[in-house]
Amino acid sequence: AQSVTQLDSHVSVSEGALVLLRCNYSSSVPPYLFWYVQYPNQGLQLLLKYTSAATLVKGINGFEAEFKKSETSFHLTKPSAHMSDAAEYFCVVSGAGTYKYIFGTGTRLKVLA
Amino acid sequence: EADIYQTPRYLVIGTGKKITLECSQTMGHDKMYWYQQDPGMELHLIHYSYGVNSTEKGDLSSESTVSRIRTEHFPLTLESARPSHTSQYLCASSEYTNTGELFFGEGSRLTVL
Repeated sequence: AQSVTQLDSHVSVSEGALVLLRCNYSSSVPPYLFWYVQYPNQGLQLLLKYTSAATLVKGINGFEAEFKKSETSFHLTKPSAHMSDAAEYFCVVSGAGTYKYIFGTGTRLKVLA
Repeated sequence: EADIYQTPRYLVIGTGKKITLECSQTMGHDKMYWYQQDPGMELHLIHYSYGVNSTEKGDLSSESTVSRIRTEHFPLTLESARPSHTSQYLCASSEYTNTGELFFGEGSRLTVL
């Protein structure tokens, strides 16, 4: 069985500050992990994915995430927030032998000027 | 940019009407999915397809039905819409199961009065 927990439903940061969006997962098989971003009234867009290669994954728009097996975490970070980063972010887990992509409940990021 | 298209983007209809939400992709992907998303909530899988003439129900029970007669086309139909069907419906496709990126359409926001 697989599950994913996004620890914060809302995160507010100042423009230029560090962004940290937290995600913990549970998986009985080696996980594949994804972060997606959703802007208002749009579909979801892939930011980055982990598929058992390097544990530090770099994505688009300056985001990166680190896979930590010991902590079962896959937190998303960005060194310096930009106003355009304001959106909903979803952590997603999948795994070999299953068709399912399990979505977290989302974290709404607000960037303050 | 993803080549997956959903129409209509917005639809407001009365109770009892039959509606079809269209989804088409030009990437030749075998796997296609329908997700339901209420405002500010996570995505729930309602239907998926592994290829032509292959459809399965997802985790969230839905009164909608789907068909997959052509690889590129995966329409969703509600025979008799009710206010409880008001939601956003997101279509997605992928080249591979589990490990591949999900490509999303921009969504169809349905309101049933």
